[in-house]
Amino acid sequence: QQQVKQSPQSLIVQKGGISIINCAYENTAFDYFPWYQQFPGKGPALLIAIRPDVSEKKEGRFTISFNKSAKQFSLHIMDSQPGDSATYFCAASIGGTYKYIFGTGTRLKVLA
Amino acid sequence: DGGITQSPKYLFRKEGQNVTLSCEQNLNHDAMYWYRQDPGQGLRLIYYSQIVNDFQKGDIAEGYSVSREKKESFPLTVTSAQKNPTAFYLCASSSAVSSYEQYFGPGTRLTVT
Repeated sequence: QQQVKQSPQSLIVQKGGISIINCAYENTAFDYFPWYQQFPGKGPALLIAIRPDVSEKKEGRFTISFNKSAKQFSLHIMDSQPGDSATYFCAASIGGTYKYIFGTGTRLKVLA
Repeated sequence: DGGITQSPKYLFRKEGQNVTLSCEQNLNHDAMYWYRQDPGQGLRLIYYSQIVNDFQKGDIAEGYSVSREKKESFPLTVTSAQKNPTAFYLCASSSAVSSYEQYFGPGTRLTVT
């Protein structure tokens, strides 16, 4: 119940295409869903986050779509660029617990 | 320039030795965390601390110890009891007010041979 399942494990997209990464959870007590971007040898950086009272959140080329009934959320990267090539992690948190449950990560490669 | 610093970036130790990883933050955050990252796996929580002089075990605390004597500092000791210590270690922090947002340091890659 504490797991967050992330797919795909790896993704190759052409420059200018749309990258889509999906996550699913079971625990309905989760109330915060962030996405992190990590470049090799670096720490993860917070990219965008959503709470379950919102179905979609957009920041620049990055959009989170949230489906509360299906217990799924996804990251969409529009107009993907080679500089977006990184590993992306979804996570889920229960308010007040200070704890994140991370997905296993998606390695994205955007071809020039 | 606010942020989280971890030192050193690379650390090599012989099996059987304890080693301490440093984590310092100047964000005035109350909460601090240690995660372990292994290839093909998500980040796993080792320990976390919400306030000075208090900390809790995470999901994989065995073989690790921490202290929180100052708000800015949260060092992690990898003891000889940790069976598989070679990994990438990440420190993070969050403010008590908006504790949802965790900010990560650059990480320390520990290799034990």
